Order: sequence, then C-alpha cells, then structure tokens
Amino acid sequence: AQSVSQHNHHVILSEAASLELGCNYSYGGTVNLFWYVQYPGQHLQLLLKYFSGDPLVKGIKGFEAEFIKSKFSFNLRKPSVQWSDTAEYFCAVRNQAGTALIFGKGTTLSVSS
Amino acid sequence: NAGVMQNPRHLVRRRGQEARLRCSPMKGHSHVYWYRQLPEEGLKFMVYLQKENIIDESGMPKERFSAEFPKEGPSILRIQQVVRGDSAAYFCASSHNEQFFGPGTRLTVL
Repeated sequence: AQSVSQHNHHVILSEAASLELGCNYSYGGTVNLFWYVQYPGQHLQLLLKYFSGDPLVKGIKGFEAEFIKSKFSFNLRKPSVQWSDTAEYFCAVRNQAGTALIFGKGTTLSVSS
Repeated sequence: NAGVMQNPRHLVRRRGQEARLRCSPMKGHSHVYWYRQLPEEGLKFMVYLQKENIIDESGMPKERFSAEFPKEGPSILRIQQVVRGDSAAYFCASSHNEQFFGPGTRLTVL
C-alpha cells in the first residue's frame, strides 16, 4: 500500500533560520506530490505541488520543494522562516487510482521570534 | 468566491446518537472527498463522491458510516450510533483538478 513518511514530528526554529522538512513516499511509479499547510485554527491550504517537469517546485510564501525520484523524497524548504510560518505541514501523494490523497502524519513547526 | 464550506464547525454528541456533517463544495466543483484526522495523525481518506455517485469508499468504516452527495444540496457524512473513537476532525475537500479543503468539523463524542 502507498504511504507517506514525515520524519520530523516537531521542529522548533528561530526566525531567519533555514527550514527543511523531510517527506518520503513509497510508490515508485508516476507520482503527484503535494505539501499542505494548516495554520492554527484554519483549514488546509496548498503550498505547492509536483506533477511532472522541473523537480524543483516553487510555491507560495517563499516555500520550495525538490522531487528526488531516486530517493522517493519530496522535501520542503524555506531559506529563512518567519514567526508567521508557525503551523502544521503535511506532505501528500495522490493514490494510484487517482481518487484520493494519502497524507503523512504532519510536522508541527514552531518559530520563535 | 466562496471556498469549501462545512457545518457545523463543532459538534458534540453523546454515545449512541447520530452525527451529520455537511459539506458544500466550491462553485463549479462536482467532486467531493471526506477525510478524517485523529489526534496526532495525518488526514486519512474516507470516501470520494461525485454527484449522486460514490466513486471510492475504500476508507470508510464498514459499519455506521455513510456518505451521500445528492443532485441538489451539500454532501452529507453520516455517523450512526457514535462512539468515543469517532471523536476527530472531519475534513471535506472539493476539486476540479486539485483539492481545496474546508475548515473541518470537529466532532466530540461524550
């Protein structure tokens, strides 16, 4: 069965620090990959997505992610975090049937000012 | 341009009661997905519906849970005879190409 692993459960950073959140998926075929963010008290919002093409994907709010097929990874990065980036981040892959998203357990990011 | 709407946002039920969760998709979207988020867990897919059809219900518990998306009106996720383990946040998403999520309904079973 397809699965998504997010290795960091809780990350704590100071403002201006660089961020990298790990995401690995299990399926080896064609994949559609996503990162979602959930700010406190709000619904999930799409940060970025990868379907094909350039493996370095740029999203909103200065986030980017790199698809590395050989490592089954889709790590999220941001060069300099802000206090407002405090949120929960979810990596997801579309299932093989194309009918649903499979989510990782999420990473809570806390940024101190 | 209203997003995905869910109501109620919070729902409290006693064990054995029924819970009805509603989801109105974004305008122009005819695909609806329901997900459940348990504490300390990511979202787990439950069911995928198009108007009047269930396309994939592989994530739905076999008993007590049902979903519909009628020709008119919102999609409904119905949980009969709720138990404490049903306490969770239930999210709905709608899509044309990518999925847009609603704010969720937080169900608490006493």
